Amino acid sequence: DAKTTQPNSMESNEEEPVHLPCNHSTISGTDYIHWYRQLPSQGPEYVIHGLTSNVNNRMASLAIAEDRKSSTLILHRATLRDAAVYYCILRDVGRGGSADGLTFGKGTHLIIQP
Amino acid sequence: DAGVIQSPRHEVTEMGQEVTLRCKPISGHNSLFWYRQTMMRGLELLIYFNNNVPIDDSGMPEDRFSAKMPNASFSTLKIQPSEPRDSAVYFCASSSQAGAGNEQFFGPGTRLTVL
Repeated sequence: DAKTTQPNSMESNEEEPVHLPCNHSTISGTDYIHWYRQLPSQGPEYVIHGLTSNVNNRMASLAIAEDRKSSTLILHRATLRDAAVYYCILRDVGRGGSADGLTFGKGTHLIIQP
Repeated sequence: DAGVIQSPRHEVTEMGQEVTLRCKPISGHNSLFWYRQTMMRGLELLIYFNNNVPIDDSGMPEDRFSAKMPNASFSTLKIQPSEPRDSAVYFCASSSQAGAGNEQFFGPGTRLTVL
C-alpha cells in the first residue's frame, strides 16, 4: 500500500477550524483517500473519504490537492470531543471491488484546548 | 443497529491458557476484519474475511493465532497458548461491499492481558 505522512501531533483551540495535513506522494490512480479517527479508549471510526474532488459530510471536509499527492482534513469548528488520533489511509478499491483491510500509520494526535 | 459487538470487553488470563475473542458484525455486512493495537506497533490488521471466507491472514503473528467465521453473524479469534506479548486491544470491524468507499465499522475492542 502507498505510504502516508502525517504530523505526530497538532494543537488547536475549541470552536476554531482545524486543518490536518496528509502527504501521499506515491498515491496511485485507484487509491482512495480515507480518514479515520480514534477517540480515547474507543475503536477507530470512519470520518470521510474521497478520490479526486473535495468532499463534505456532517463530520468534516476533505480537500484534495490537484495532483492528489496531499490532502487536508478540515474540522470546521473543533470541540473537545474532536480530540483524537486522526489517521490518513490510502485504499485501493480497484482490485475487483473486494474490501481489503486498512493499513494504519501513526496518525496525528489532535489536542483541543478549551 | 447495535453496531459491531465484541465479547468479552476485558480478558485477563495466565500465560499458556487458551483465549477466545468473539465478534458479531453488523447485520448485512459481508466483510469482517480483526485488528490488534499495541503501544509499540499501533493498529495492525491480523486477518479478514469476505463472505465468511478468509482472504488474507498474512498479519496473523504465528500459528498460535487462529480465526474462524462459521457464519455471517459470528467470528472468533483464538490464541492457544497465550503469551504475555499477546497483551493488546483486539478490534473487530465489518463492512459492506455495497457501502460507499467500503467504510469499516469498528467494535469497542477486547482488552486482553496475559500475565
